Amino acid sequence: NAGVMQNPRHLVRRRGQEARLRCSPMKGHSHVYWYRQLPEEGLKFMVYLQKENIIDESGMPKERFSAEFPKEGPSILRIQQVVRGDSAAYFCASSPPSIGELFFGEGSRLTVL
Amino acid sequence: AQSVTQLGSHVSVSEGALVLLRCNYSSSVPPYLFWYVQYPNQGLQLLLKYTTGATLVKGINGFEAEFKKSETSFHLTKPSAHMSDAAEYFCAVSDQAGNTPLVFGKGTRLSVIA
Repeated sequence: NAGVMQNPRHLVRRRGQEARLRCSPMKGHSHVYWYRQLPEEGLKFMVYLQKENIIDESGMPKERFSAEFPKEGPSILRIQQVVRGDSAAYFCASSPPSIGELFFGEGSRLTVL
Repeated sequence: AQSVTQLGSHVSVSEGALVLLRCNYSSSVPPYLFWYVQYPNQGLQLLLKYTTGATLVKGINGFEAEFKKSETSFHLTKPSAHMSDAAEYFCAVSDQAGNTPLVFGKGTRLSVIA
């Protein structure tokens, strides 16, 4: 049973470019979460999605960041016009409904030059 | 709102010594509590979780944690540290309905000295 798959594992972008991070949840999991990890700050919740619905985006920056989880295909976290402060590890996690426990991917590490 | 405080951003122990990583939580509703471990450049792996029932929870790799409601604590312990335990450890809380995303502490980096 494959785990949560994230790609790319590493992404380098120049300031002003767009970054797209993809996440395929574990089989049978309908809930997807995105977290951002900065050194010494732990994991910060960004957004919680179910298929075709954003359930909670209280942790998402108001501008430049968006997320989707379409009916078919992976969840995508999109960062437009990246800035150096966006450099971080972005983790996706999935879960079955109402379980609480999250299963994490290996993360996507974004570096903005 | 829920929150987690992990006391000590870095803990260092000798190989074979007791490991104690502290976690206190704040929650207005009965919590679910978790400990995750992260090895360098990897994702997070669940060590153990408390949902309901027995307050002493045993996890993988010889770790255990005890839920103490009166102290709002969920400290992680292991009787004898091994070199392979060196990693970053995160405590997390959610509500029992599983409707809220996990809220994580800032993490504690464990070093094990030979």
